[in-house]
Amino acid sequence: KAGVTQTPRYLIKTRGQQVTLSCSPISGHRSVSWYQQTPGQGLQFLFEYFSETQRNKGNFPGRFSGRQFSNSRSEMNVSTLELGDSALYLCASSLDRAYNTEAFFGQGTRLTVV
Amino acid sequence: DQQVKQNSPSLSVQEGRISILNCDYTNSMFDYFLWYKKYPAEGPTFLISISSIKDKNEDGRFTVFLNKSAKHLSLHIVPSQPGDSAVYFCAAAARDNAGNMLTFGGGTRLMVKP
Repeated sequence: KAGVTQTPRYLIKTRGQQVTLSCSPISGHRSVSWYQQTPGQGLQFLFEYFSETQRNKGNFPGRFSGRQFSNSRSEMNVSTLELGDSALYLCASSLDRAYNTEAFFGQGTRLTVV
Repeated sequence: DQQVKQNSPSLSVQEGRISILNCDYTNSMFDYFLWYKKYPAEGPTFLISISSIKDKNEDGRFTVFLNKSAKHLSLHIVPSQPGDSAVYFCAAAARDNAGNMLTFGGGTRLMVKP
């Protein structure tokens, strides 16, 4: 079955702009989580959506937001982009809790802010 | 405050030998642990997991050991192969978390030399 699909793969934006990233989870998976990976920082949790509701949120400023649609597809939005937002943004889908099931990751969207 | 730490940023081993990757955590609420492998320009791929009710889990060449009293886990790869060269992340989840939120370590870059 198809894996997690993230679009676009690469994006270049200017400081101050906003950006929207998209994630289509594995069919049947209702949980979608977003992570930011920067050099030397590992993966940092942004937020998780389950059945169109934000269920968890990491320690990121309000410029980072997301939503989930009824078909479980999710979007992440970053407003007023800063240079430090340049990172690989990864989306992961799970059946439900990571406690008993592993999260499957997409290939990520590489965002560069100039 | 890093709750999951991988203190070795890199590790180099000879093909056929054992690779041991280490991970320490501080949050005593973590009770499920996962290892992911990541190649450049790809999303992390799930390798193996372990619940806190176990101290060992094995899957082919990969074995994860958990020492709860030391808050330490390790991933053993035997025998190591050049295709294992990648960045390895350990991740943890907490039972008290209602949803899917993984806390990742900073990663260890494994290089297996032919």
